[in-house]
Amino acid sequence: QVQLVESGGGVVQSGGSLRLSCVVSGFAFNYQSMHWVRQAPGKGLEWVAVISPDGSPEFYADSVKGRFAISRDNSKYTLYLQLNNLRSQDTAVYYCVKGSNHYYYGMDVWGQGTTVTVSS
Amino acid sequence: QSALTQPASVSGSPRQSITISCTETSSDLGDYNYFAWYQQHPGKVPELLIFDVDKRPSGVSHRFSASKSGNTASLTISGLQPEDEAHYYCSSYTDSGQWVFGGGTKVTVL
Repeated sequence: QVQLVESGGGVVQSGGSLRLSCVVSGFAFNYQSMHWVRQAPGKGLEWVAVISPDGSPEFYADSVKGRFAISRDNSKYTLYLQLNNLRSQDTAVYYCVKGSNHYYYGMDVWGQGTTVTVSS
Repeated sequence: QSALTQPASVSGSPRQSITISCTETSSDLGDYNYFAWYQQHPGKVPELLIFDVDKRPSGVSHRFSASKSGNTASLTISGLQPEDEAHYYCSSYTDSGQWVFGGGTKVTVL
């Protein structure tokens, strides 16, 4: 079955960096767009970024544009999110989410998430 | 960035039907009409309920249905059950290449 396993979360100081990873299995990764979605403590879902199957194009939420970078290694079935210049408001659970078969349908299967805590 | 507005909470008694609205508050969705709905139980991962406005993935109960009229998408839960207590989020693609979520609606079964 489809599985997505995130890692790389942790506690980082304001202004610091982290790299999140998401290893997937159970589907043809190299044919699917992939998303990152985050959820701050006690808050709703916030879409972060999407990457096309071959790595381009990418799109970002305005709140992270210029600070975060989404990438993928199709040979390793792995999705990444590089988080730079982190702020306290970036504290959240970050979910790796498989894109639907139809690009515009958005997201279907979610990973368990990895927690990022930005301390000031 | 475009916004989708949902009521903060909706409640109903067992076996009743409830409807959650999701209203576009900007024109950034353009001609795109790709609404989805997700269910998230407390402490759990979100799950896809509806895609492409009104389609259910296999395994999702027929008690969940959805539609769109004008600038408002709606999710209806029929025959409300205790296990339907959760947060529900709408989502849509926008013409800037981004996706957007509504603020979420907490459903309480009285």
